[in-house]
Amino acid sequence: DAKTTQPPSMDCAEGRAANLPCNHSTISGNEYVYWYRQIHSQGPQYIIHGLKNNETNEMASLIITEDRKSSTLILPHATLRDTAVYYCIVSNDYKLSFGAGTTVTVRA
Amino acid sequence: GAGVSQSPSNKVTEKGKDVELRCDPISGHTALYWYRQSLGQGLEFLIYFQGNSAPDKSGLPSDRFSAERTGGSVSTLTIQRTQQEDSAVYLCASRWGPDLEQYFGPGTRLTVT
Repeated sequence: DAKTTQPPSMDCAEGRAANLPCNHSTISGNEYVYWYRQIHSQGPQYIIHGLKNNETNEMASLIITEDRKSSTLILPHATLRDTAVYYCIVSNDYKLSFGAGTTVTVRA
Repeated sequence: GAGVSQSPSNKVTEKGKDVELRCDPISGHTALYWYRQSLGQGLEFLIYFQGNSAPDKSGLPSDRFSAERTGGSVSTLTIQRTQQEDSAVYLCASRWGPDLEQYFGPGTRLTVT
């Protein structure tokens, strides 16, 4: 019963922006959109979250469509260290449900 | 500052044995989670502790699994009579108060032979 849909994989050139899409067409009004990533053999790392408005922090930007049915995580200048599995999650409570995510490979 | 730590980092055990996995959350964090990640899979929620409230055990897969959190800090996940399907990476995360982001530890890789 997946709440989000992400492409299984994508490649990105080092130094370029990486745009990671996520569909969440059944999102409810009080559910946040979270992004985490997991670098190989490490625990997941929080990236960013948002409700309605676009958000930006030192790691990434989150663009949420006006109808909130999809979002895009933007890594502005991808580096080799950004190679990881990126998870898009929607939740309105303390529990997060991680799907398969998008495997992002940054290439030199 | 210190992040979430877990021990041991790796554990190999024989089928039928009991194991204990430990999690030290970030100091001051009131919420603590346990997740399980099987090979090539996403994270599966197991249990959640928040302050002195009764834990949410809804994700525990069977009664062989239990967890406790002593003094609102350190947590131990216990798996009794381990089975091969219990082999996975067990991840702990903590969260501070009203903040939404969870901070994860490096995990314990459990292998049941």
